[in-house]
Amino acid sequence: EAGVAQSPRYKIIEKRQSVAFWCNPISGHATLYWYQQILGQGPKLLIQFQNNGVVDDSQLPKDRFSAERLKGVDSTLKIQPAKLEDSAVYLCASSFPRGRGTDTQYFGPGTRLTVL
Amino acid sequence: AQSVTQPDIHITVSEGASLELRCNYSYGATPYLFWYVQSPGQGLQLLLKYFSGDTLVQGIKGFEAEFKRSQSSFNLRKPSVHWSDAAEYFCAVGAVPGTYKYIFGTGTRLKVLA
Repeated sequence: EAGVAQSPRYKIIEKRQSVAFWCNPISGHATLYWYQQILGQGPKLLIQFQNNGVVDDSQLPKDRFSAERLKGVDSTLKIQPAKLEDSAVYLCASSFPRGRGTDTQYFGPGTRLTVL
Repeated sequence: AQSVTQPDIHITVSEGASLELRCNYSYGATPYLFWYVQSPGQGLQLLLKYFSGDTLVQGIKGFEAEFKRSQSSFNLRKPSVHWSDAAEYFCAVGAVPGTYKYIFGTGTRLKVLA
């Protein structure tokens, strides 16, 4: 079974530029998550999708971050414009929803973003 | 509010020695608890999880964890550490009411001495 795929693996941009990350979840997983992991910290949830609807985006900085999941499969996360403090690893995860918090999340390898 | 604390930022052990990584949580009801491992440049891999039942949970790679409600802890253990266990370990609590999101701890970086 293929895991969660993410691209690119690494990205270096200058501040005020825009960047986009792509995620393809495990086949059949209706729930998709984007996390931000700043160096030395645990992952922080940015946005959670159930199929193509947003379940939770309370910690997404909506003035600069956006995410979509068209057709309920793969997803893109965009930052525009980027700031220095956006330097982090962006992790995508997916789970098969059983409607409880017991759903196990499976993580992709992440995209390491460096903003100069 | 729900939270997870991992008191040890770094731990160093010798290969073959036993290991215990601490995790304390704050949650009003019975929590769903997870331990993940992250190797350099990799995503997070699930080691084990606790939902209910037996408080001693077995996971992959020889790891186990014990849920202690009275201490609000879910410590990860391994009787004999291998050099390949060097990585960062994250404890997480799930089932935040109204959502299914995880709250992660800040992680413990494990170094293994040959």
